[in-house]
Amino acid sequence: GENVEQHPSTLSVQEGDSAVIKCTYSDSASNYFPWYKQELGKRPQLIIDIRSNVGEKKDQRIAVTLNKTAKHFSLHITETQPEDSAVYFCAASPANSGYSTLTFGKGTMLLVSP
Amino acid sequence: GAGVSQSPSNKVTEKGKDVELRCDPISGHTALYWYRQSLGQGLEFLIYFQGNSAPDKSGLPSDRFSAERTGGSVSTLTIQRTQQEDSAVYLCASSLYDTGVQNEQYFGPGTRLTVT
Repeated sequence: GENVEQHPSTLSVQEGDSAVIKCTYSDSASNYFPWYKQELGKRPQLIIDIRSNVGEKKDQRIAVTLNKTAKHFSLHITETQPEDSAVYFCAASPANSGYSTLTFGKGTMLLVSP
Repeated sequence: GAGVSQSPSNKVTEKGKDVELRCDPISGHTALYWYRQSLGQGLEFLIYFQGNSAPDKSGLPSDRFSAERTGGSVSTLTIQRTQQEDSAVYLCASSLYDTGVQNEQYFGPGTRLTVT
């Protein structure tokens, strides 16, 4: 089955700095890679996703890159703000008849200090 | 519109008792997923429903765990003879279903289960 490794487990940055979280996956059949943000005590929410037919996707201060050859993908947050503080999870999924059984990484706790 | 809801929000039970956790998906979402989140861990897949059938039960950790879905809507996750290692947050998610396309999964707030 799929295995997703996520690093670092914790990340502390100053407000305004950039943050990068990296994930690797094992199953070459995986072709959908979402990122979820989970604030303390709240439900995970999708912040960005990328499919295997593109190498990069941006949405304002957030970007995700995908290297299928190396089987790794990364989340980039620029100009971090205190409200970016949360746990971020990467996930990978193969396309199995239209449903996506997500395999998640163990999460990265991002702390943005003012 | 209404998001995914789960009940109860918290459940404390004694070891050996059975518990039922409920999930109400977003209306029209035929795909429903259960995950388990232990302290400091990622989300662990348990089971997937498409309509009322469960084509993927590969994540259920033991035969004490079962789930059903009725009417293509509400789902119930049942844990029999609970053990302390079952303590976790149980999350439900739902999504639209399109053949060959992965759609965003919307998560519920979770049920925090504590087995004493």
